[in-house]
Amino acid sequence: DTEVTQTPKHLVMGMTNKKSLKCEQHMGHRAMYWYKQKAKKPPELMFVYSYEKLSINESVPSRFSPECPNSSLLNLHLHALQPEDSALYLCASSQEQGNTIYFGEGSWLTVV
Amino acid sequence: AQSVTQLGSHVSVSEGALVLLRCNYSSSVPPYLFWYVQYPNQGLQLLLKYTTGATLVKGINGFEAEFKKSETSFHLTKPSAHMSDAAEYFCAVSDLEESGNTPLVFGKGTRLSVIA
Repeated sequence: DTEVTQTPKHLVMGMTNKKSLKCEQHMGHRAMYWYKQKAKKPPELMFVYSYEKLSINESVPSRFSPECPNSSLLNLHLHALQPEDSALYLCASSQEQGNTIYFGEGSWLTVV
Repeated sequence: AQSVTQLGSHVSVSEGALVLLRCNYSSSVPPYLFWYVQYPNQGLQLLLKYTTGATLVKGINGFEAEFKKSETSFHLTKPSAHMSDAAEYFCAVSDLEESGNTPLVFGKGTRLSVIA
């Protein structure tokens, strides 16, 4: 079972809103990831958590704030986003950082 | 640093024809190689992977890929295309020996169209 669950599937938010994307996995994986994907492009890595600690931050603007409350959950807090932040946000996990990565179905974000 | 090149942003085949999607990589150390598929409006699904051992790797949905070190290639094939294979395919490389590296480096993707 390689299931990574993301909620919500679709989110529309204004530029002054605060919202969060949520991700959950129950595979016992200790590494979790956030990727951003624009249309017709490959996913771009945003953040990596390993054993609940931030391992990689790919110079993402501070209006994106990740949080890893426990080994099964990963959140992405959104605040003061811009229309160009509209994209598919993919959560993923792997047994350890560097192992095979499994992706969720993604959350479609539209910033208006 | 690793990189991945996928030749052809769009490949079109007839139903029942051979599917060949090309992927070349560069890596300073033995790589781990992956193919992911993305159906419209969905996330990425792992098709197959090469880590060590047998260089011909079989994946889901009848796909397979062969790791050729001398050619630095990891091309994806399927003997007979099905309409349901229409999707975006991403080749990716991971360098597990260098900690802190970006976990996966993706190619730009190849969109596969299947014509009835």
